[in-house]
Amino acid sequence: DGGITQSPKYLFRKEGQNVTLSCEQNLNHDAMYWYRQDPGQGLRLIYYSQIVNDFQKGDIAEGYSVSREKKESFPLTVTSAQKNPTAFYLCASRGGRLGGYNSPLHFGNGTRLTVT
Amino acid sequence: GENVEQHPSTLSVQEGDSAVIKCTYSDSASNYFPWYKQELGKGPQLIIDIRSNVGEKKDQRIAVTLNKTAKHFSLHITETQPEDSAVYFCAASRGRGSQGNLIFGKGTKLSVKP
Repeated sequence: DGGITQSPKYLFRKEGQNVTLSCEQNLNHDAMYWYRQDPGQGLRLIYYSQIVNDFQKGDIAEGYSVSREKKESFPLTVTSAQKNPTAFYLCASRGGRLGGYNSPLHFGNGTRLTVT
Repeated sequence: GENVEQHPSTLSVQEGDSAVIKCTYSDSASNYFPWYKQELGKGPQLIIDIRSNVGEKKDQRIAVTLNKTAKHFSLHITETQPEDSAVYFCAASRGRGSQGNLIFGKGTKLSVKP
């Protein structure tokens, strides 16, 4: 089955540590996205990539970093500079040329990160 | 930039009743409006979408209407069932590239009581 796999589902870290969230897709989509979801805040865009070896900051990129070395993979690193890292993180992909003009997003099932 | 507002934030209905969720957007150039359903502990899933050249779209018990003049669009669910209970998000986008990035509303938690 085609889809997006996020791992792990739950992740716990100590404050001050960097942590990397995995996202893999087998939909052959060019564009991939990372969103952060907090209660009552909807989905906020962290980073996105429309093609391999290229990515752009979204609305809340501070304290995060990404890489896009392969079409299938778009890992997100939550660094110690992120002031409030505890959240639900969603990865998504989008088909169509250069990330989608009017194409829907396909989401993974998320990773819940807790930092104490 | 685009701003999407969604109302209500919570909605409770009896099984069999209809549910309506409304969204407004600020960018008159937006031309794509999807709706997503998110069940607890899962990622959002697309349930219906509409493009700006269409005023209404229906898929079984779900329909979306778009009023470009007023810049608002609505999700209508008829004959609600307990499995419709979830959080629903509207979104809007325009164009290609970064302008195609979806801007989401803050969500509506729908509860359908048996």
